[in-house]
Amino acid sequence: GQQLNQSPQSMFIQEGEDVSMNCTSSSIFNTWLWYKQDPGEGPVLLIALYKAGELTSNGRLTAQFGITRKDSFLNISASIPSDVGIYFCAGQPHSGAGSYQLTFGKGTKLSVIP
Amino acid sequence: NAGVTQTPKFQVLKTGQSMTLQCAQDMNHEYMSWYRQDPGMGLRLIHYSVGAGITDQGEVPNGYNVSRSTTEDFPLRLLSAAPSQTSVYFCACHAGNYGYTFGSGTRLTVV
Repeated sequence: GQQLNQSPQSMFIQEGEDVSMNCTSSSIFNTWLWYKQDPGEGPVLLIALYKAGELTSNGRLTAQFGITRKDSFLNISASIPSDVGIYFCAGQPHSGAGSYQLTFGKGTKLSVIP
Repeated sequence: NAGVTQTPKFQVLKTGQSMTLQCAQDMNHEYMSWYRQDPGMGLRLIHYSVGAGITDQGEVPNGYNVSRSTTEDFPLRLLSAAPSQTSVYFCACHAGNYGYTFGSGTRLTVV
């Protein structure tokens, strides 16, 4: 199946610092999604990207859909303690029978030091 | 509006036992899916359904069975539980190109 490489695997940052994480793929995706998962909960959608080159913000979060359709990044500015959690990227394939399916990265675990 | 509801939240099974994980959505979305989450592995697709009466296998379907008799419900059955099926299970639904909505998960331990 398709693979998404998400990095970094984990991050320890000071409160107030900016955070950046990214996902890359060997194949094209039609849609890129970024999720956050709090402990004991299911993933919650943060940002959805539908067009190559698209840059979308949601509060302190900014995500971009790469021009090649094979990558995406998520930035968090001025981190706060409640940003702690696991962040997942996910992509929907460009076309075909599997185009409804999501492929997930393995996650970036974010820890914020007050 | 509950979104996606999963029951039970926690379950302990003995090896060889069978059980059904329930998933119900009130969003009227056609597409539903089951994922399992294991440490360091991210979310892996078990089975999915593109509408009532239609199901298909995902990446890791062995040992699991699904059915979709209504738009709302998509139960996942463990036929004969094994310790390798100890995991956190998530059900999700979505429509078209919009992001998936996940339930809060079922934490299953097989001893």
